[in-house]
Amino acid sequence: DVKVTQSSRYLVKRTGEKVFLECVQDMDHENMFWYRQDPGLGLRLIYFSYDVKMKEKGDIPEGYSVSREKKERFSLILESASTNQTSMYLCASTQVTFSPLHFGNGTRLTVT
Amino acid sequence: AQTVTQSQPEMSVQEAETVTLSCTYDTSESDYYLFWYKQPPSRQMILVIRQEAYKQQNATENRFSVNFQKAAKSFSLKISDSQLGDAAMYFCAYSLGPGGGSEKLVFGKGTKLTVNP
Repeated sequence: DVKVTQSSRYLVKRTGEKVFLECVQDMDHENMFWYRQDPGLGLRLIYFSYDVKMKEKGDIPEGYSVSREKKERFSLILESASTNQTSMYLCASTQVTFSPLHFGNGTRLTVT
Repeated sequence: AQTVTQSQPEMSVQEAETVTLSCTYDTSESDYYLFWYKQPPSRQMILVIRQEAYKQQNATENRFSVNFQKAAKSFSLKISDSQLGDAAMYFCAYSLGPGGGSEKLVFGKGTKLTVNP
């Protein structure tokens, strides 16, 4: 089975801190995604990557950046965390987009 | 832009009964895929069922089946013989097909399903 691992399940950070959310997948998938999940808003795509060092903005990229130096690892970076970035963050991967996504367990980030 | 609408924020069903979750979508494309994902309280999102738009036959996975109405752009999920373990958030999602030029899924806002014993 594909495993997508997010490094933290819960994270508490202070406003202005630089925050790194890490995601690793073990199935050599080409595509990796970062979503943000908020109640009543569903999942919104922040960034995705279709190859090493390649990235594309999703629907809500403001305030975020990403890094994909190795195929298996996709990092989400909050350059200067703000309270409106308090949310659940989900990482996912797939070989091709019309194939099912494999999700990590999520990171619940609280910014105080 | 493609959009996915789930009009029922919450639904409930009695154990062993049948429930249908609604989903509509908006697209001008003809080749696309539709998905239902389940997110239980443990937070792990898992795929429930997938439908290719070019297939007229409705997809079925055990107790889960879909009613795909392409002309109406409707994609509902039917859960038969509901079990307590079916309690979760359910998300409908849309993706372009191969060569569609987009590498992302569009998700609806979700329906929270409660199963009553």
